[in-house]
Amino acid sequence: KQEVTQIPAALSVPEGENLVLNCSFTDSAIYNLQWFRQDPGKGLTSLLLIQSSQREQTSGRLNASLDKSSGRSTLYIAASQPGDSATYLCATAAGYSTLTFGKGTMLLVSP
Amino acid sequence: DTAVSQTPKYLVTQMGNDKSIKCEQNLGHDTMYWYKQDSKKFLKIMFSYNNKELIINETVPNRFSPKSPDKAHLNLHINSLELGDSAVYFCASSQVRGSQETQYFGPGTRLLVL
Repeated sequence: KQEVTQIPAALSVPEGENLVLNCSFTDSAIYNLQWFRQDPGKGLTSLLLIQSSQREQTSGRLNASLDKSSGRSTLYIAASQPGDSATYLCATAAGYSTLTFGKGTMLLVSP
Repeated sequence: DTAVSQTPKYLVTQMGNDKSIKCEQNLGHDTMYWYKQDSKKFLKIMFSYNNKELIINETVPNRFSPKSPDKAHLNLHINSLELGDSAVYFCASSQVRGSQETQYFGPGTRLLVL
């Protein structure tokens, strides 16, 4: 059964820093890997989706990498801003529809 | 304009009651889901429906019964509510396009059982 682990559980950085969030998964037979953002009291917003055949995806200041063989993904956030403060969730998709989530990294970017 | 909507947003009820949460998506997606996020913020799949048919049913007590009257709606009915049912319930939808499958989430329903 797939297990997804995210490290660190919480991270606090000053504005402007570049940072890396880590995600690891136990079963490399994934369809894709997704990174989501969850704001307090809100739903999830999809940030990036990396297909199993891809190595990375970029969107603005965000870059996500995938190393399927080692069961790892990283989310790189460049020049962090206070508006980036949220919980970031990593999820793997196995075949049709099923997402397995990590517990998330709670990020706080202070001005 | 809301892509995936849920009602109610908050639900406070007594143990033993029966309650329903409604979900609607206006994205034309074929697949809809219910997830539960517990007090430790762990998000887990409960059910998945494709074109009104159940395709995933994780280990969920049969007090929970999803119902899909049409492709755009997936409601969740909970019988005999228990304290442990207190959580945030998220509805989501997706449409498989090639090898891409992004799920779009609703804002969540915060259920508190007293």
